[in-house]
Amino acid sequence: QQQVKQSPQSLIVQKGGISIINCAYENTAFDYFPWYQQFPGKGPALLIAIRPDVSEKKEGRFTISFNKSAKQFSLHIMDSQPGDSATYFCAATYNQGGKLIFGQGTELSVKP
Amino acid sequence: NAGVTQTPKFQVLKTGQSMTLQCAQDMNHEYMSWYRQDPGMGLRLIHYSVGAGITDQGEVPNGYNVSRSTTEDFPLRLLSAAPSQTSVYFCASSPLAKNIQYFGAGTRLSVL
Repeated sequence: QQQVKQSPQSLIVQKGGISIINCAYENTAFDYFPWYQQFPGKGPALLIAIRPDVSEKKEGRFTISFNKSAKQFSLHIMDSQPGDSATYFCAATYNQGGKLIFGQGTELSVKP
Repeated sequence: NAGVTQTPKFQVLKTGQSMTLQCAQDMNHEYMSWYRQDPGMGLRLIHYSVGAGITDQGEVPNGYNVSRSTTEDFPLRLLSAAPSQTSVYFCASSPLAKNIQYFGAGTRLSVL
């Protein structure tokens, strides 16, 4: 049972474009939604995160949009750069510091 | 700045062999966990621990054992390796008071 569903599986964007990755969740008890970024040969690293009491969070070129009623959240990467090429995972949890449920991952390629 | 250290980085096993994947963290984090990463499946939680002497099962625990005798170490044991356990394994740690998980660089395991 996949509690967090992520799409698309892969994404190709031109340099300077906007990358959008979507996630949907089922468990309404989830109260923390992070995004992790993973470069080849490395472990995932926290990129940005949001709680369901806000609809949007922005950090630099990265923005999370959150729709609690639809149980969906998305990552937007503005002015995408080749250095953003990586695999992105959305995740959800309902225990502070506890276990994360990950989406399937999106492999992003930003073409120069 | 060691963070989370995983050894070995690569391993090839024959079906039926046993081995232990090592994980150590030097951040005094209470929470530690093991994930496996497979294409199109994201990261799936195998086992986790909220402190020394306390472990629990995640989503895919079958075929794996863990123990937590110290805060620093959280080894993952494969008692009888199977080809289905071919994967990349990640260890992560987190302070219980925060939702940030820190990942190691991973162990790539092939079971022939």
